[in-house]
Amino acid sequence: GQNIDQPTEMTATEGAIVQINCTYQTSGFNGLFWYQQHAGEAPTFLSYNVLDGLEEKGRFSSFLSRSKGYSYLLLKELQMKDSASYLCAVLDSNYQLIWGAGTKLIIKP
Amino acid sequence: GAVVSQHPSWVICKSGTSVKIECRSLDFQATTMFWYRQFPKQSLMLMATSNEGSKATYEQGVEKDKFLINHASLTLSTLTVTSAHPEDSSFYICSARDLRTDNSPLHFGNGTRLTVT
Repeated sequence: GQNIDQPTEMTATEGAIVQINCTYQTSGFNGLFWYQQHAGEAPTFLSYNVLDGLEEKGRFSSFLSRSKGYSYLLLKELQMKDSASYLCAVLDSNYQLIWGAGTKLIIKP
Repeated sequence: GAVVSQHPSWVICKSGTSVKIECRSLDFQATTMFWYRQFPKQSLMLMATSNEGSKATYEQGVEKDKFLINHASLTLSTLTVTSAHPEDSSFYICSARDLRTDNSPLHFGNGTRLTVT
């Protein structure tokens, strides 16, 4: 079956760095997405990786290793507004999005 | 950039009534739109894939006759919750992909919070 694993919850301190990991086992791979979702709101797109390596976008970076079925989202200089759930999703061979359960990130002052 | 508009943002209805939710892609054509449901503190659950001009594809366990989907044009899909019950109270979110860009991300509507009393 298809499976995406990410931690349920993480806690970090304002101003620090946090890395949210995502491992996947899917039938085929056509890219991996990271989304941010604040409570009660729809998800918003953060990043897309289809080739191995690191993609940097301001305070957020996303890394992919296809051979390991592994990705991480790196958040730097954490701000209180970064408190949210972070969803990992993989586009499989049928171009269907397979969603992880999300990681709730709690930022403490 | 691509925008998906979803209406209404929230709705309260009485048990037994029907509710229609609209999802529009504002500046791109979406032959395929997706409908999700999310219960509190749970992940997104794909309900159905809406295909323009043809029948929707429903996920296992989603009742076709209860959740009617119509995708009549390249920019509009509607989800109708028929004979709603309190257990249908949830956050419903639609999404679409801009097919002009290969592997473009899903763009989400702002969601509809449905409360059935």
